[in-house]
Amino acid sequence: KAGVTQTPRYLIKTRGQQVTLSCSPISGHRSVSWYQQTPGQGLQFLFEYFSETQRNKGNFPGRFSGRQFSNSRSEMNVSTLELGDSALYLCASSHLQPTDTQYFGPGTRLTVL
Amino acid sequence: TQLLEQSPQFLSIQEGENLTVYCNSSSVFSSLQWYRQEPGEGPVLLVTVVTGGEVKKLKRLTFQFGDARKDSSLHITAAQPGDTGLYLCAGDAGGTSYGKLTFGQGTILTVHP
Repeated sequence: KAGVTQTPRYLIKTRGQQVTLSCSPISGHRSVSWYQQTPGQGLQFLFEYFSETQRNKGNFPGRFSGRQFSNSRSEMNVSTLELGDSALYLCASSHLQPTDTQYFGPGTRLTVL
Repeated sequence: TQLLEQSPQFLSIQEGENLTVYCNSSSVFSSLQWYRQEPGEGPVLLVTVVTGGEVKKLKRLTFQFGDARKDSSLHITAAQPGDTGLYLCAGDAGGTSYGKLTFGQGTILTVHP
């Protein structure tokens, strides 16, 4: 079974631009979660989608948004990029049963200049 | 807000030594997951523990979930250079915390040949 895939792997943007990151979950997984990882803050939860609905959201500004499609693929968008948005963005998928074990993709390294 | 305190933050040992990494919280988790992450890659799942008092072994790695499901430990026997990496514990609060894992700060392990 193929793992979680994320595209692109690397991205360089400038302040004020917006960016869209994509995540394809493991086949059969309907829950997709997004995390931001930085050296100072570690891994922080952004949001989770299940069956195209956002069920949970972390403490991030409204510039961070996401969506999920009917095939469970998910995208996250960051508008008006700031220098502090430079991070590794990780997507994880879960089957929910028997446990909510999450399987992570390789991440997208976003650099904001 | 649930927190997971992971210790130690850094561990530098010689090949063949044993080590233990701890994850502690004042909150109860429905499950706890341990991951290992290489630089620039996503976390790779090592194990999920669900039942209080549970002990799981994965070759030279032993994972324990506390009786009260508030803490966990990872013990590595006879560490090898291939064990080098960032180890992360992550707790799932269950209930309505859909798709949200709370991560510890991580332990950077370096095993010298």
